[in-house]
Amino acid sequence: AQSVTQLDSQVPVFEEAPVELRCNYSSSVSVYLFWYVQYPNQGLQLLLKYLSGSTLVKGINGFEAEFNKSQTSFHLRKPSVHISDTAEYFCAVTEIIQGAQKLVFGQGTRLTINP
Amino acid sequence: DTAVSQTPKYLVTQMGNDKSIKCEQNLGHDTMYWYKQDSKKFLKIMFSYNNKELIINETVPNRFSPKSPDKAHLNLHINSLELGDSAVYFCASSQGTGPRGEQFFGPGTRLTVL
Repeated sequence: AQSVTQLDSQVPVFEEAPVELRCNYSSSVSVYLFWYVQYPNQGLQLLLKYLSGSTLVKGINGFEAEFNKSQTSFHLRKPSVHISDTAEYFCAVTEIIQGAQKLVFGQGTRLTINP
Repeated sequence: DTAVSQTPKYLVTQMGNDKSIKCEQNLGHDTMYWYKQDSKKFLKIMFSYNNKELIINETVPNRFSPKSPDKAHLNLHINSLELGDSAVYFCASSQGTGPRGEQFFGPGTRLTVL
């Protein structure tokens, strides 16, 4: 079974500073990786995804992530954060069961931006 | 237009009661899901339906019974509610069942069992 580990449960950062949220996944033949963001009291919104091709993936709101197969990582980065980036971030990998996909989520990382 | 909607948004009820949560998507997708987010924010899939057929059932107690009357709707009925059922329940949908399909999530239903 696939698994995802988000190494930091909480990340406090000052506004306009860079940030990296770490994600490691269990190895598999084919890997499809996602980052979702959950703003307070809201549902999940897709930030970006890696399906194939370029290992550097750009998403919405200035976020990007790099797929690193040798290190089985998919870390999320943003060069300069804003107060509005305060949210919970989830890394996820697709697992296929009997031809059907399910998302396996990490534990989440709470990103707090301080002024 | 809301892509994936859920009702109610909040649900407070007593132990032992039976309750339902409804989900509707207007994206034309053929696959829908229920996820449970516990108090520690951990998200786990419960069920998935494709074209009204159950395709994933993740060892969920049989007090939980999903029903999909058509491709656009997936409801979740819970019998004999327990304290441990308190959580946020998210509905999601995607086109197809393959690994590349992006899942779109609803706003969630916060269930509190007293």
